[in-house]
Amino acid sequence: GENVEQHPSTLSVQEGDSAVIKCTYSDSASNYFPWYKQELGKRPQLIIDIRSNVGEKKDQRIAVTLNKTAKHFSLHITETQPEDSAVYFCASTGGGNKLTFGTGTQLKVEL
Amino acid sequence: GAVVSQHPSRVICKSGTSVKIECRSLDFQATTMFWYRQFPKKSLMLMATSNEGSKATYEQGVEKDKFLINHASLTLSTLTVTSAHPEDSSFYICSASEPGFPTEAFFGQGTRLTVV
Repeated sequence: GENVEQHPSTLSVQEGDSAVIKCTYSDSASNYFPWYKQELGKRPQLIIDIRSNVGEKKDQRIAVTLNKTAKHFSLHITETQPEDSAVYFCASTGGGNKLTFGTGTQLKVEL
Repeated sequence: GAVVSQHPSRVICKSGTSVKIECRSLDFQATTMFWYRQFPKKSLMLMATSNEGSKATYEQGVEKDKFLINHASLTLSTLTVTSAHPEDSSFYICSASEPGFPTEAFFGQGTRLTVV
């Protein structure tokens, strides 16, 4: 089955800096890669997603890049703010909308 | 976006009892729903795929007799934790997607189960 690895597990940045989280996947058939933000005790919220026919997607301060050849994708957050502090999960799916999640990154944005 | 509602949000039960958790898609029909389990500071682990009108598909290592899943309609899936024990205490969360692939997964609010 699919295996998704995510790094780093924790990330501390100063407010206004950029944050980058990286994921790799194993199943070459995977073609949909969402990123979720989860606050403590809450449901995951989709922040951005990318399909395999696209190499990059941007939504304001958030961007995702995908390298299908290398089987890795990354989340980029620019101009970080304290409210960006949360746990971020990458995920992938190759069929049937069944998601495999990465291990998560605890992002802390310090003032 | 679409809405998935999960109830209850919190439940405390005694060891040996059973607990039922409901997952509803409020504004769309979902032939498939997914149940996840999440331990503190850990990722979401898929437990099973709930299929409307047929048996659920369980992931390796998940006891199907302990975690009973029923998907009797296109908008409702239920997860019953049978004979609960303290080690079953966890955050359980469901998801569903609108028809088509790939489409965004919408998550329920999650259920915090505590077995005492």
